Amino acid sequence: RKEVEQDPGPFNVPEGATVAFNCTYSNSASQSFFWYRQDCRKEPKLLMSVYSSGNEDGRFTAQLNRASQYISLLIRDSKLSDSATYLCVVNGADFGTGTSLTVIP
Amino acid sequence: EAGVAQSPRYKIIEKRQSVAFWCNPISGHATLYWYQQILGQGPKLLIQFQNNGVVDDSQLPKDRFSAERLKGVDSTLKIQPAKLEDSAVYLCASTPSDLLGYGYTFGSGTRLTVV
Repeated sequence: RKEVEQDPGPFNVPEGATVAFNCTYSNSASQSFFWYRQDCRKEPKLLMSVYSSGNEDGRFTAQLNRASQYISLLIRDSKLSDSATYLCVVNGADFGTGTSLTVIP
Repeated sequence: EAGVAQSPRYKIIEKRQSVAFWCNPISGHATLYWYQQILGQGPKLLIQFQNNGVVDDSQLPKDRFSAERLKGVDSTLKIQPAKLEDSAVYLCASTPSDLLGYGYTFGSGTRLTVV
């Protein structure tokens, strides 16, 4: 069983839509959680940390559910520029396979 | 602040040849990581250094891969001999500390093709 699992998608959504991704993890003792964004043929870039209390950065909201062992990323009012692969990371070493998002005009 | 520097950007070699990649982390970052990213997959941790010591190399195929960070700054990753399945992007990342709360800064990677 993989330590971190993500739905690979692809998610194809129209501009302005709200889209959410989940990422489940197997180690209940996990302590740190992040979301990264990776554009095609580029390196991953840190999008946001995920705190127990949840956190929000503009149109992006990240949440942690320790009881069910998953983290989520919500993107509101999707823009064309949000098209990318979104990777979750648990404890620094365990990356998910990534979820592909395409925002359609 | 300068980012994580990696070279070369691209490398094409024949199977059974050797190859080396270089990484210079962000100045002052004590922790350095090498990841392998195969097309369509998430990055897989190969090795983690804290200064010049190895913290985790449990997923490094030690029969063919080696890495060093002799002075606790830049690092090299070597593959000898290369196999076709080593074709991937090799990413280097650094953080100020090995504490789990820090996100990583990645270099632009080295794209290796083994033919």
